Amino acid sequence: NAGVTQTPKFRVLKTGQSMTLLCAQDMNHEYMYWYRQDPGMGLRLIHYSVGEGTTAKGEVPDGYNVSRLKKQNFLLGLESAAPSQTSVYFCASSRGLAKETQYFGPGTRLLVL
Amino acid sequence: KQEVTQIPAALSVPEGENLVLNCSFTDSAIYNLQWFRQDPGKGLTSLLLIQSSQREQTSGRLNASLDKSSGRSTLYIAASQPGDSATYLCAVINQAGTALIFGKGTTLSVSS
Repeated sequence: NAGVTQTPKFRVLKTGQSMTLLCAQDMNHEYMYWYRQDPGMGLRLIHYSVGEGTTAKGEVPDGYNVSRLKKQNFLLGLESAAPSQTSVYFCASSRGLAKETQYFGPGTRLLVL
Repeated sequence: KQEVTQIPAALSVPEGENLVLNCSFTDSAIYNLQWFRQDPGKGLTSLLLIQSSQREQTSGRLNASLDKSSGRSTLYIAASQPGDSATYLCAVINQAGTALIFGKGTTLSVSS
């Protein structure tokens, strides 16, 4: 039981390049989330999904797209990376909404030059 | 808009000391509150989850309390150990019930 895994662990991009971050969970959770963590800002929600085939915007969605084609996977895409997207990205999943613990992945550190 | 504040931002204590971390939130209409631990360069680990109808939760040396009416929660750590050194994050479920709103954390250092 691996929990929540994220790929890659670290990536360096040049401004304008694109990439996809992959999150996978093996707990059969319905809900999945993408957060970014920046110094002095704390964690902020980018996008979330309440089930396979669904996605919704969080607090800071601009510049990102997501897809949930399979229940166990949640992809975060950057179409044209900007230095402001340099951050640590965390994926999380939970069984339900308000009353359930969220389980976090180890994070992806992204540097955009 | 819900805002979560954690005080102090950093705390240093000698081993064995009991300590309290504070969390406050601006909107008392929360579904639950969670305390997480984050080690440097790592992800978050859930420590305790308190439902809105509960007053406290305990796990080992940790005790978390919740006072919704005053918008406050505390995390009590008994007999602190060097292994407790980490950043502790408080988070509340937002009104839509879709995601956590995080505080910026308290970084704890326990010296031996």
